[in-house]
Amino acid sequence: AQSVTQLGSHVSVSEGALVLLRCNYSSSVPPYLFWYVQYPNQGLQLLLKYTSAATLVKGINGFEAEFKKSETSFHLTKPSAHMSDAAEYFCAVTPSEYSSASKIIFGSGTRLSIRP
Amino acid sequence: DTGVSQDPRHKITKRGQNVTFRCDPISEHNRLYWYRQTLGQGPEFLTYFQNEAQLEKSRLLSDRFSAERPKGSFSTLEIQRTEQGDSAMYLCASSQYGQENYGYTFGSGTRLTVV
Repeated sequence: AQSVTQLGSHVSVSEGALVLLRCNYSSSVPPYLFWYVQYPNQGLQLLLKYTSAATLVKGINGFEAEFKKSETSFHLTKPSAHMSDAAEYFCAVTPSEYSSASKIIFGSGTRLSIRP
Repeated sequence: DTGVSQDPRHKITKRGQNVTFRCDPISEHNRLYWYRQTLGQGPEFLTYFQNEAQLEKSRLLSDRFSAERPKGSFSTLEIQRTEQGDSAMYLCASSQYGQENYGYTFGSGTRLTVV
């Protein structure tokens, strides 16, 4: 079974500072991993995805994430936070081997706040 | 293509009433998913369809919940005899079979408030 754990339900950084949102996964088969962002009262928007190609994945809005199999991690980073980055971020996993149970499983989310 | 559309955006209903939500997926996508999201939580899987066939249902989907996708296009999610615990955001997403590595495309959700 697949699952993800997001460490820290709330992260606050200053504008211009490094953003680091942590995600660890559990999967019995090689996973696909995703980061989604959700703004208030909106659906989820895909930020980036790992699909067994490059381990360092670049996404939209300057975000990137690195897949580390040895650490079962897929942390999200951004070198310099912007006020517009304030949102809820979700890490998600699905098995890379297609099966009837290929639904995406989400973590509980991390709310990112940006201090002026 | 305008993406995944959900209707209505907001619904307030009295406890005990029935409600129905609609989701129109991306036209090329043959898979459609329903998720429920409560405040401060990640989306929880409810059910999904491939074309018109409902392939999996979560234990979260009690017998008061029913979902259909009659022609393999749009889908409806009905909740009968609503309870206050049903208050949540209901999210719909779609994808193409075998392309789950692309992730899902989500709609903006329907926020249900049961009073």
